[in-house]
Amino acid sequence: DTGVSQDPRHKITKRGQNVTFRCDPISEHNRLYWYRQTLGQGPEFLTYFQNEAQLEKSRLLSDRFSAERPKGSFSTLEIQRTEQGDSAMYLCASSSGANVYEQYFGPGTRLTVT
Amino acid sequence: AQKITQTQPGMFVQEKEAVTLDCTYDTSDQSYGLFWYKQPSSGEMIFLIYQGSYDEQNATEGRYSLNFQKARKSANLVISASQLGDSAMYFCAMRETSRSNDYKLSFGAGTTVTVRA
Repeated sequence: DTGVSQDPRHKITKRGQNVTFRCDPISEHNRLYWYRQTLGQGPEFLTYFQNEAQLEKSRLLSDRFSAERPKGSFSTLEIQRTEQGDSAMYLCASSSGANVYEQYFGPGTRLTVT
Repeated sequence: AQKITQTQPGMFVQEKEAVTLDCTYDTSDQSYGLFWYKQPSSGEMIFLIYQGSYDEQNATEGRYSLNFQKARKSANLVISASQLGDSAMYFCAMRETSRSNDYKLSFGAGTTVTVRA
């Protein structure tokens, strides 16, 4: 039984570069979420997919951010023209239709923008 | 407005003792869910316990119990018989269910628990 996986686990990039993160949810889960967590804070919701449809986007998700889930399986989160304020842990979670109460989180991708 | 408030930034507890982590929430929804997650230093968020707003009994999962006081809008987590492995950050979270497709969680700022031998 594999849980939610995220790749890469760590990413260091220079300001202005583009980065892309990948999330593979638990295979039977049709809902996928992205959260951002800055140091010393709780996660903040970014966006949510049900199958391939992106149903909600937070105001935190500026135009530089885009997320996709093309086939309703894995998802990617891209940040264009990174800024130092983008440095954070990016968490992915998934849940199934049968049990919407429990979101299973991946290990996260820690982004450092220098 | 802050939906989840955790007022204890850090707590120390002696091994084998119980510890209570405070959480208050703010919502106008009648239907909502409250969650507690544990985040060890490795970073992964681990689901601990869930309480639905209509559940009449407090939720329990092993050594974890949720003290749900609806009128006070509080959902405190009690960890009994603390173990060294309980040292971690603990987050309270809420899902408001008035919108059927809205499953996102709102998290508090967290409480760091350090268990002393």
